[in-house]
Amino acid sequence: GQQVMQIPQYQHVQEGEDFTTYCNSSTTLSNIQWYKQRPGGHPVFLIQLVKSGEVKKQKRLTFQFGEAKKNSSLHITATQTTDVGTYFCAGQRGAQKLVFGQGTRLTINP
Amino acid sequence: DARVTQTPRDKVTEMGQEVTMRCQPILGHNTVFWYRQTMMQGLELLAYFRNRAPLDDSGMPKDRFSAEMPDATLATLKIQPSEPRDSAVYFCASGSGGNAFFGQGTRLTVV
Repeated sequence: GQQVMQIPQYQHVQEGEDFTTYCNSSTTLSNIQWYKQRPGGHPVFLIQLVKSGEVKKQKRLTFQFGEAKKNSSLHITATQTTDVGTYFCAGQRGAQKLVFGQGTRLTINP
Repeated sequence: DARVTQTPRDKVTEMGQEVTMRCQPILGHNTVFWYRQTMMQGLELLAYFRNRAPLDDSGMPKDRFSAEMPDATLATLKIQPSEPRDSAVYFCASGSGGNAFFGQGTRLTVV
């Protein structure tokens, strides 16, 4: 079945440092989505990538979708304490179910 | 603000009891997901519906779990009988066009 792997599982950075999480799918995806879950909260949709090689930016966050549509990354420039949380990627093939990666938990030293 | 509403927010129950969790999806959304989240397993998809029809419930233990959508405004997830290993946060999410909007979750503790 479809699997989505995400690394690293945990990342601790100093405030101001950059952060990247990577997502790999066992199968070609029609789209990939990114979510953020704050401690004690629920996953919140951030963005969806659809096109091969697509790059999208949201302020300090940069999202990339690989050429083969099997991998993706989320990069945060100059982290702030508000970035703390777990970042999930989720892959979808056509109308099939949305499968989540295990998430990368980001903690930040102020 | 449109949001997915889940009830109850917290549930503590004894092993063997029936548990029913409810979800009101966002009006107009045609897809509803049920996820279970634990520290060990992360976010596991239990079931999902499109236009109220179950499309995939392969992630759900069939002997004790059941998911239904009696109408477009209500999705239910039932566990009977509940076991301590079912303790987790259960999220409902709805969407239309691929992405998912999550409810606040039901934190279930089975003792």
